[in-house]
Amino acid sequence: NAGVTQTPKFQVLKTGQSMTLQCAQDMNHNSMYWYRQDPGMGLRLIYYSASEGTTDKGEVPNGYNVSRLNKREFSLRLESAAPSQTSVYFCASSQGRSSYNEQFFGPGTRLTVL
Amino acid sequence: GENVEQHPSTLSVQEGDSAVIKCTYSDSASNYFPWYKQELGKRPQLIIDIRSNVGEKKDQRIAVTLNKTAKHFSLHITETQPEDSAVYFCAARPTGNQFYFGTGTSLTVIP
Repeated sequence: NAGVTQTPKFQVLKTGQSMTLQCAQDMNHNSMYWYRQDPGMGLRLIYYSASEGTTDKGEVPNGYNVSRLNKREFSLRLESAAPSQTSVYFCASSQGRSSYNEQFFGPGTRLTVL
Repeated sequence: GENVEQHPSTLSVQEGDSAVIKCTYSDSASNYFPWYKQELGKRPQLIIDIRSNVGEKKDQRIAVTLNKTAKHFSLHITETQPEDSAVYFCAARPTGNQFYFGTGTSLTVIP
């Protein structure tokens, strides 16, 4: 099993450009998450999907949109990138059926917005 | 929402000594507390977790304690080794699907 995979691994954008970060999991998990990680800020939740067909805002959703394409895939879109969105983005998944489920993280996408 | 505070932000210990990292949380509904280790350039990985109905859990050199009354939980690493050097994150999960993370502790084990 590949676990949680993310593409791309690195990306450089110019201010105003758009892009989509892709995430897929092969563990048959119900819940999927998008986080951003900035120095000294820990992991902050952008959006999550508790189950296929649902999405909810997290702590820092402004400037982002998400799509839960199916049970396996959860994408994050930046419509008009800004330098403040320079960060490392992690996708994660968990079984989600109870409160005691480990989150598994993808390898991350390092995004730089110039 | 939940607020998780983590201390210290950096910690240096001599090899073989113990390391303790502390976290506090604000939402009394939180009932699951995982700890993640993140090596440089890698993804966070779960190292230990504890549920709210348990006061302490051990796994070899790692242990976690939980004080629900005081709303704090701690990670204890004994007999530290250089490969323990990493950033450690605590997290809390209230009812629902959101996890709230602390800001991380950078642990350096000096050989």
